[in-house]
This record gives sequence, structure tokens and C-alpha cells, in this order.
Amino acid sequence: ETGVTQTPRHLVMGMTNKKSLKCEQHLGHNAMYWYKQSAKKPLELMFVYNFKEQTENNSVPSRFSPECPNSSHLFLHLHTLQPEDSALYLCASSQDSDGADTQYFGPGTRLTVL
Amino acid sequence: GEDVEQSLFLSVREGDSSVINCTYTDSSSTYLYWYKQEPGAGLQLLTYIFSNMDMKQDQRLTVLLNKKDKHLSLRIADTQTGDSAIYFCAEKGSSGNTGKLIFGQGTTLQVKP
Repeated sequence: ETGVTQTPRHLVMGMTNKKSLKCEQHLGHNAMYWYKQSAKKPLELMFVYNFKEQTENNSVPSRFSPECPNSSHLFLHLHTLQPEDSALYLCASSQDSDGADTQYFGPGTRLTVL
Repeated sequence: GEDVEQSLFLSVREGDSSVINCTYTDSSSTYLYWYKQEPGAGLQLLTYIFSNMDMKQDQRLTVLLNKKDKHLSLRIADTQTGDSAIYFCAEKGSSGNTGKLIFGQGTTLQVKP
């Protein structure tokens, strides 16, 4: 248990659906991250939020829309996804985004797009 | 661009030592990390090393850093079946302060009884 929770753990959606992934951290951290983990590919950073402000958008398609209402919660809103978006989506948090502050990961949401 | 590479698979016998290797290209790396991922789980931080160190030991884990060759290794002593997992090397550069980590593809460690 790392102090970072993600819901749902598994999600199956059609290409026309709209869904949201939720991440919550109970560590008092100020930075939160979304990563995408696809089979046979390195982990890809998608977004970084530091003190609720987005500081990194790693050229992510607009069908992925993040939201960070406060330092403890991070959402990833999904709409009109493609089958190649099927992956494990991991959330992480750290004290802030600088220095050696280590990132603590949640268990991930396994997303399947049909 | 920045790149981190690892061998994809390592098989050892229980009780042996495991050595997982990683190379990276960013000479301005400030911190290097090792994460472990068990099936169905997220990434668990094992250890990290600052770039001005060449070795760090933590119980059964020994991290060696050769900054000149941009080579990082993780040695697991007395490997157990519970150590079977995917191990990720990651580096953090000094450019910017967005916390961006660059991960390798992961090394699958198989421990045979």
C-alpha cells in the first residue's frame, strides 16, 4: 500500500463512451502524475501537476483531458478513445516535482477500448 | 533525446545473486531509480542513487553507478522467488524541474526454485 489509490482498477469502454479515471493520494504530496504503460513499451509520462497547476503535457492527444481540483486528487477524463489507447494507466505522486522527490505509484487502471 | 535501455529478461536460481543492468544517455542525469512491478500492481520504489555517488547498499540490494559509462546496475543478493517481477530503471535529468522520469522498458526477473 503506497498511499496512492486509483479507481476503477479495470475499465472496458467503447470508442464513443466518456469515462473518467480517478486518483487520490493520502501522502500530503503536492505533485501528481499520469503515466501510460503499454505492453512492450517504456512507461510514458502524460501529464504533471505541481500545486494543482499543469507543468507538463507530453504531447498527449486531446481525447485525454486531465483535471486536478486539489493536490490530493487527479482525474483523467477520456472520450472518443481508440483501441490503441488500451493500456495500464498509472498515477503517481511526489512531495513536489523537483529534486530527488521520489514518485509513489498507485496500482493502475487497466483500460480496454473496444 | 534521452533514452534508457535494459535487457528484457533475466533468469536465476533461488539463492543466487541477480544483476540487472541499465544504460542511459543523459549525461546531466541527477538521480537514478530502481522500481519493481509485480503482476497486477503499480510500480514500487526500491531505491535511488544521486549521480555523485557510485554505490548504495540497502539490505539485499546494491546499486552501482558508473557515471563515465552511463551504466547503472542493481544487484539482488540471495534472490528469492518473491523477487520475481519486472524491474525498471529510471533517470531524472537536470533540465527543467517538471519531475520527468525517463524509464527503461523493464527487465523481467524470473527466479527458479
